[in-house]
Amino acid sequence: DAGVTQSPTHLIKTRGQQVTLRCSPISGHKSVSWYQQVLGQGPQFIFQYYEKEERGRGNFPDRFSARQFPNYSSELNVNALLLGDSALYLCASSLIGVEAFFGQGTRLTVV
Amino acid sequence: AQRVTQPEKLLSVFKGAPVELKCNYSYSGSPELFWYVQYSRQRLQLLLRHISRESIKGFTADLNKGETSFHLKKPFAQEEDSAMYYCALAGNTGNQFYFGTGTSLTVIP
Repeated sequence: DAGVTQSPTHLIKTRGQQVTLRCSPISGHKSVSWYQQVLGQGPQFIFQYYEKEERGRGNFPDRFSARQFPNYSSELNVNALLLGDSALYLCASSLIGVEAFFGQGTRLTVV
Repeated sequence: AQRVTQPEKLLSVFKGAPVELKCNYSYSGSPELFWYVQYSRQRLQLLLRHISRESIKGFTADLNKGETSFHLKKPFAQEEDSAMYYCALAGNTGNQFYFGTGTSLTVIP
């Protein structure tokens, strides 16, 4: 079992650019959620998707968007990057109502 | 609105001593609470959830609705317990967690 996989593991972007982060859930898990973890803080909920539909959205600007594909993998897209978007982005997958399994995260640095 | 508070960012205890990591929450509905742990260089993983009422690695946590708390306890700390601990509250649809800021636990040999 490979667990939840995220790509890339690290990346550096310039202010104003756009970035796409990818997540592959554990086989059989239909729910994927995204979190932002700024240094020194706990993970903050961004989005939840289930069966390709958005089920929840945290308090993030419209520059953040996501989608889920028929194979349940997911992408998180951030437009017009700001320095403050620098963070670890975590993906978690689960069967609904059961334990969430987290990926290793993507470390995004905006310069 | 849901909120999770972990008042201690850092906690150090000696091996064999009792440990308690504090967590308070605010939530208008019926809360579902969890403790997640992150060991060095590992991914975030579930330690325990209040519904299961299990004891994992010697840790227990009791939901106190009157005090809106879900403190994590272990009677005898071990060196391998050194890690970052996050208290989390589940949202309505599951897989939607609201985390505290975390407590870094160091167990001194």
